[in-house]
Amino acid sequence: AQSVAQPEDQVNVAEGNPLTVKCTYSVSGNPYLFWYVQYPNRGLQFLLKYITGDNLVKGSYGFEAEFNKSQTSFHLKKPSALVSDSALYFCAVRAGNNRKLIWGLGTSLAVNP
Amino acid sequence: GAGVSQSPSNKVTEKGKDVELRCDPISGHTALYWYRQSLGQGLEFLIYFQGNSAPDKSGLPSDRFSAERTGGSVSTLTIQRTQQEDSAVYLCASSLDRTNTGELFFGEGSRLTVL
Repeated sequence: AQSVAQPEDQVNVAEGNPLTVKCTYSVSGNPYLFWYVQYPNRGLQFLLKYITGDNLVKGSYGFEAEFNKSQTSFHLKKPSALVSDSALYFCAVRAGNNRKLIWGLGTSLAVNP
Repeated sequence: GAGVSQSPSNKVTEKGKDVELRCDPISGHTALYWYRQSLGQGLEFLIYFQGNSAPDKSGLPSDRFSAERTGGSVSTLTIQRTQQEDSAVYLCASSLDRTNTGELFFGEGSRLTVL
């Protein structure tokens, strides 16, 4: 069965420090991996995706994520966090021709000034 | 429109009443999804429309829930005889992509409160 795990409910970092939001997945076949962000009282916004090719994917707002096939992970990273990055982050996976996205439960990121 | 539009943004109703939630996807997007997000929870898939294909209704939690998509564009999610546990934010998303590699574009959601 397909699944996505975001092991941390909450991540706290100081502004200017690097941040990592973790995601691991389990699928049959090649995974399509996505990160979305949800700012307070807003809908979700696409950040980045991995489909194929380079394992390091760059996305919006300076975020990047690294696909690691052996560890079945797709952690979201940013070299220097901003207070405005504080939001809820969701990892999602889709396998091959499966139309459904499987979503993680989300990680709340708090960046402290 | 420029983005996915959902209405109403907020709906307060009494237990037992029916509600309709509307989603207007991005023009030309063939795929449309409905999700439910409860407080502190992740996204719960409800239903998926792709073009003229039969919708995937596998996520609808009960027969009180139904959805239509007319003319391949606007969609309406209907909840009959609402219950307090139906209180949540209902999110609609659309996508252009037929290959399942594309991203979803979300509306800002309809917050439903059942008293």
